Amino acid sequence: AQSVTQLGSHVSVSEGALVLLRCNYSSSVPPYLFWYVQYPNQGLQLLLKYTSAATLVKGINGFEAEFKKSETSFHLTKPSAHMSDAAEYFCAVSDFTGGFKTIFGAGTRLFVKA
Amino acid sequence: NAGVTQTPKFQVLKTGQSMTLQCAQDMNHNSMYWYRQDPGMGLRLIYYSASEGTTDKGEVPNGYNVSRLNKREFSLRLESAAPSQTSVYFCASRPGTGDNQPQHFGDGTRLSIL
Repeated sequence: AQSVTQLGSHVSVSEGALVLLRCNYSSSVPPYLFWYVQYPNQGLQLLLKYTSAATLVKGINGFEAEFKKSETSFHLTKPSAHMSDAAEYFCAVSDFTGGFKTIFGAGTRLFVKA
Repeated sequence: NAGVTQTPKFQVLKTGQSMTLQCAQDMNHNSMYWYRQDPGMGLRLIYYSASEGTTDKGEVPNGYNVSRLNKREFSLRLESAAPSQTSVYFCASRPGTGDNQPQHFGDGTRLSIL
């Protein structure tokens, strides 16, 4: 069965610092992996997705994530945090065994300090 | 470019009342989904519709019913609301179930049951 674990329900960084949000997944077959961002009072928006092409995936707003099969990880990074990055971030996994239903992690709230 | 539209945005109900949450998408997507979002639990799938005319249970279907009215519209009904159903409800759509495309989300319905 698929599952997603996001390490840390809250992460706080200073403006200009590196952002690292951790995600580990479990899937019995090659997965498709996604990162979504949610701003207050809004729905989820896609940041980036991994679909078995390049292992380093670049997304919007300067974010990127690296798929590491050996570590079953898909961590999200951004070199320099901006105040506008403050939001909640969700990692998600889907594969064909689940009919491509998507399983979401519990979310990580990112705080950015001035 | 409306995308996924949910109505209403906010609602307060008393225990035992019934209510239907509406969702419509204008992207000609085949698959539609209803999730609930609770703090620390990510998004949990309530029901989904792979295509017009079909619906299936997700992870947490008890206390809910759905109707896929046509290709555009997918409604969620609470027949007898309970305080445990206080949550934020999101509708999402995707081109199909047999693909790895990300989901598109509405802005949510914030439902409080007293």
